[in-house]
Amino acid sequence: NAGVTQTPKFRVLKTGQSMTLLCAQDMNHEYMYWYRQDPGLGLRLIHYSVGEGTTAKGEVPDGYNVSRLKKQNFLLGLESAAPSQTSVYFCAIKRDSKLFNEQFFGPGTRLTVL
Amino acid sequence: TQLLEQSPQFLSIQEGENLTVYCNSSSVFSSLQWYRQEPGEGPVLLVTVVTGGEVKKLKRLTFQFGDARKDSSLHITAAQPGDTGLYLCAGPNSGGSNYKLTFGKGTLLTVNP
Repeated sequence: NAGVTQTPKFRVLKTGQSMTLLCAQDMNHEYMYWYRQDPGLGLRLIHYSVGEGTTAKGEVPDGYNVSRLKKQNFLLGLESAAPSQTSVYFCAIKRDSKLFNEQFFGPGTRLTVL
Repeated sequence: TQLLEQSPQFLSIQEGENLTVYCNSSSVFSSLQWYRQEPGEGPVLLVTVVTGGEVKKLKRLTFQFGDARKDSSLHITAAQPGDTGLYLCAGPNSGGSNYKLTFGKGTLLTVNP
């Protein structure tokens, strides 16, 4: 996983609860991403960051917030979880290359919202 | 919006068989990548193809980028159970920086012993 770790690996929430998913890299990459993966829908980009202190919306940002206070960490927050947010969440970093966007993924967090 | 269509969606074969999976788009991509995702894990980058017509080999896996850079294929020779997984193709979004990727929905391959 090229030094990308995700915490926690599994979590079960009740509707309306909040939680934060942590992505950490042990390198110094600028670009970090949060995706969700759902059957039949594939990987969809939630939010991303192009550097410390920056964040931007992806394809499906509603219901999520992110922060990148430290370069090594990218946090994904769910303020009020909904069953539609049951999914597998992946964090990824982009290898430092001006030519290609080659991404390296963490092992994922399986979230169930009841 | 650039889309990547992968086919087939599911493929179940016996060990030793050959197979080809496809990744197609109506848009031109500057490059395409292939990832493999094993159950319970994150996607892992296999290869990046850049030049139209390019062929890259990774052991029993052969990747080809179409001449017009709108499609790509992955051919596996003598498939093994360890090849089981979800194969995803991805390409950089057009316009501006290439820091976002478009992913296909994948081909789920099962190789039975």
